[in-house]
Amino acid sequence: QVQLQESGPGLVKPSETLSLSCTVSGGSVSSDSSYWSWIRQSPGKGLEWIGYIYYTGSTNYNPSLKSRVTISIDTSKNQFSLKLTSVTAADTAVYYCSKETSNCFDPWGQGTLVTVSS
Amino acid sequence: QSVLTQPPSVSGAPGQRVTISCTGSSSNIGAGYHVYWYQQLLGTAPKLLIYGNSNRPSGVPDRFSGSKSGTSASLAITGLQAEDEAEYYCQSFDSSLSAYVFGTGTKVTVL
Repeated sequence: QVQLQESGPGLVKPSETLSLSCTVSGGSVSSDSSYWSWIRQSPGKGLEWIGYIYYTGSTNYNPSLKSRVTISIDTSKNQFSLKLTSVTAADTAVYYCSKETSNCFDPWGQGTLVTVSS
Repeated sequence: QSVLTQPPSVSGAPGQRVTISCTGSSSNIGAGYHVYWYQQLLGTAPKLLIYGNSNRPSGVPDRFSGSKSGTSASLAITGLQAEDEAEYYCQSFDSSLSAYVFGTGTKVTVL
């Protein structure tokens, strides 16, 4: 059974870059039927899909965030990562990583709270 | 800003039936994209409850059912139990936004 675990700093300063990693266990990020996604949840905007990556490195991002987002994958570590540049307070949220199969998200990591503040 | 609208809250007594609506538009649910439902217990990550409009993953009780019609979808919980108290979200794909979209969320309270 696939499990995901997010990791990264819980506090990021405004205008800096948010960086998170997701470690996958119980399965391989190189699976040819899975896309690996980032989703965030904030009180103001609810759940928001950020983007996904395929093991080949192919990505798809939410157009609303596309100019600031990079998702990468490291098959040797069975991890994928998120970078969000030029963050503001509006980027404060719980960030989840998830496996996307057939256009839905299952399972999800436990989530990690990232606060943008000086 | 969610493009899928849900009622903020619904409530019911144990054993009762409650339904949660998810209203979209011609660029998402109305365009034929499937609807998915998630249950989020307090302090935990969302969990897939319904996929492909009306299918339950293994382990999800048959008290939960989903349906879709036109530009809307619904989640029904029959035989409401205390453990069903949670936030519920619908999800689909929006062709205008070229993005997966989620509903605004509905808090289910068991009286």
